[in-house]
Amino acid sequence: DTEVIQTPKHLVMGMTNKKSLKCEQHMGHRAMYWYKQKAKKPPELMFVYSYEKLSINESVPSRFSPECPNSSLLNLHLHALQPEDSALYLCASSHGPRNYEQYFGPGTRLTVT
Amino acid sequence: GEDVEQSLFLSVREGDSSVINCTYTDSSSTYLYWYKQEPGAGLQLLTYIFSNMDMKQDQRLTVLLNKKDKHLSLRIADTQTGDSAIYFCAETLDYGGSQGNLIFGKGTKLSVKP
Repeated sequence: DTEVIQTPKHLVMGMTNKKSLKCEQHMGHRAMYWYKQKAKKPPELMFVYSYEKLSINESVPSRFSPECPNSSLLNLHLHALQPEDSALYLCASSHGPRNYEQYFGPGTRLTVT
Repeated sequence: GEDVEQSLFLSVREGDSSVINCTYTDSSSTYLYWYKQEPGAGLQLLTYIFSNMDMKQDQRLTVLLNKKDKHLSLRIADTQTGDSAIYFCAETLDYGGSQGNLIFGKGTKLSVKP
């Protein structure tokens, strides 16, 4: 099973809402990642969790708050987002931190109104 | 610095071969990757090559690496309409034996005409 599962598939939220994106993998991977992808652009790394601890935060605004409850789950909590935060949010995982094979989920298409 | 460059578009006819090219600047690249992204979907790891290799073949896919010129290519034989997608070249750099983060090119949109 090489699947990374992301829910929801689509999300529309207002600027005052609080919502969460969820990511799940059952491959026994110990590193998990959040990426943001704008239209016609490559993915941009946001956060890296390694062994359930936040190891990289690429200067992401605090309105994005990641959480790793256990080694299989990764959440991204959203609060007071701006319309320019609308994007495809991709989760990925790899066997270990800085491992060369990252597996990506299908993404959550977020629209902020 | 870190930079990965790709041409933005490629159009081929079904049944032809496609060649997608990529150049990178950092000589400490250790792994180079090709990812495929279909519309509205996530990224699918197609193949990767270690920097001490020249070539890797996997079914219809052939990866060629010219380390001297820092040039990577992906050849898709017998291209099908289902191969239409954006193809991202990416690299990771060596940090004392562990890999750094993925550095992506801007992606090449492959259009396959029937």
